[in-house]
Amino acid sequence: GQQVKQSSPSLTVQEGGISILNCDYENDMFDYFAWYKKYPDNSPTLLISVRSNVDKREDGRLTVFLNKSGKHFSLHITASQPEDTAVYLCAAGASGGSNYKLTFGKGTLLTVTP
Amino acid sequence: EAAVTQSPRSKVAVTGGKVTLSCHQTNNHDYMYWYRQDTGHGLRLIHYSYVADSTEKGDIPDGYKASRPSQENFSLILELASLSQTAVYFCASSERGNYAEQFFGPGTRLTVL
Repeated sequence: GQQVKQSSPSLTVQEGGISILNCDYENDMFDYFAWYKKYPDNSPTLLISVRSNVDKREDGRLTVFLNKSGKHFSLHITASQPEDTAVYLCAAGASGGSNYKLTFGKGTLLTVTP
Repeated sequence: EAAVTQSPRSKVAVTGGKVTLSCHQTNNHDYMYWYRQDTGHGLRLIHYSYVADSTEKGDIPDGYKASRPSQENFSLILELASLSQTAVYFCASSERGNYAEQFFGPGTRLTVL
C-alpha cells in the first residue's frame, strides 16, 4: 500500500489566502519529512523539511506542522500567490541503518487564482 | 553552482532494446537516486546508491539495473525495454546525513514503442 499519501489530488485557493496541503504516512519509523515543489516539465525542488523532534517549522510564508501521533504532516502557505501554482509533493524517510531514502506522495496540484 | 545533469534528455526506444540513462553530479554528494514519474503515481524510487561501486534496490527495481562507477556518475539500465517503462526519469543526489534534501536533475523523457 501507499506509505505516504496525499488524499487531495488538487486544491484551488484565491490569491492572498492560505493554502493547506496535507500528507498522511503509515510507517512509524519515518522521522524525516519534506515538501517539494514541482512545476510542469521541471524537476522537483525542496521547499522545507523537518525532523521528527519538532512539531512545527516556519520559513517565510511556509510552515510545516507535524502530528506524529496522527501520522500526519501539512504545509501551510500564507499569502498565496499565482506563482505558487505548482504540484506539491510530500515525502518521508526513516534514518538509521542503511535506509537513506525518501518515499514520495503522488502530489497535490495547487492552483492559486488571481 | 552544484548541479545534476542527465543524458539524454529524451529518448525513443524500441520494445526489447537496451536503454542506458546517465546521470552526472558535481555536488560532491555521496548519495544518488533514480526515480520514475508517471501520471497518477508521483515519484517512485527505482535504485539508489550510497557509495561508488554499490547500489541498492528501491521500491520498484524490477526491469531495471543500476551502476555507480564513481561518486559523480550513476546510470540506469533497461536491458529489455518494455512499453510500461515509458515515463520521465529523474536522477537526484544528496549529502551524507541530509538525504531529505535531494537535488534533482532535469529529467529524461523515455518513450518505448
